[in-house]
Amino acid sequence: KNQVEQSPQSLIILEGKNCTLQCNYTVSPFSNLRWYKQDTGRGPVSLTIMTFSENTKSNGRYTATLDADTKQSSLHITASQLSDSASYICVVSEVRAGNNRKLIWGLGTSLAVNP
Amino acid sequence: NAGVTQTPKFRILKIGQSMTLQCTQDMNHNYMYWYRQDPGMGLKLIYYSVGAGITDKGEVPNGYNVSRSTTEDFPLRLELAAPSQTSVYFCASSYLLGGAGELFFGEGSRLTVL
Repeated sequence: KNQVEQSPQSLIILEGKNCTLQCNYTVSPFSNLRWYKQDTGRGPVSLTIMTFSENTKSNGRYTATLDADTKQSSLHITASQLSDSASYICVVSEVRAGNNRKLIWGLGTSLAVNP
Repeated sequence: NAGVTQTPKFRILKIGQSMTLQCTQDMNHNYMYWYRQDPGMGLKLIYYSVGAGITDKGEVPNGYNVSRSTTEDFPLRLELAAPSQTSVYFCASSYLLGGAGELFFGEGSRLTVL
């Protein structure tokens, strides 16, 4: 059972257009949610982090939102560029006994930005 | 600043061979991790370390071993390689444990077992 579900699985958009990626999770309790960007052949790089009390966080053209009540997060990319072509991975930090944490990784959304 | 460095980037092994994936970080992070990433699957934690001399199993430790003799280095040992170990391996480090801190990843090591 995957506790972090991302949609769509893949997406193709034209350069300059906006797009929104979705992340639904069932992890509870959780401490924070991160979005990572993974370029082809590279390791993931953190874009944003939000705690359960935050609703939105921006990083340049990337804006992440979080609704802890519905357990949904989205990543909005504005004015897309060719360099935005990558996989975007949602990661939720599950709080466990003894204040231990476990990262639950989504499968990612593969985004292709075409000229 | 180099960050997290992994070697080798690519390797082909025959079934039954052994090898070590090297990982070193220069950020003085206490926490280090090894993940594997298979096509269509999320990252799976193999082993992690909370400091020199301390390691623990993750979700998929079978067939692997690790050691942490220094803060900087966290090698991953594959014994008796099997085709199921064909994957891309990522080493990562963080200032805080797990989800509390951002993970910094290496470039990955692509391993094929034939």
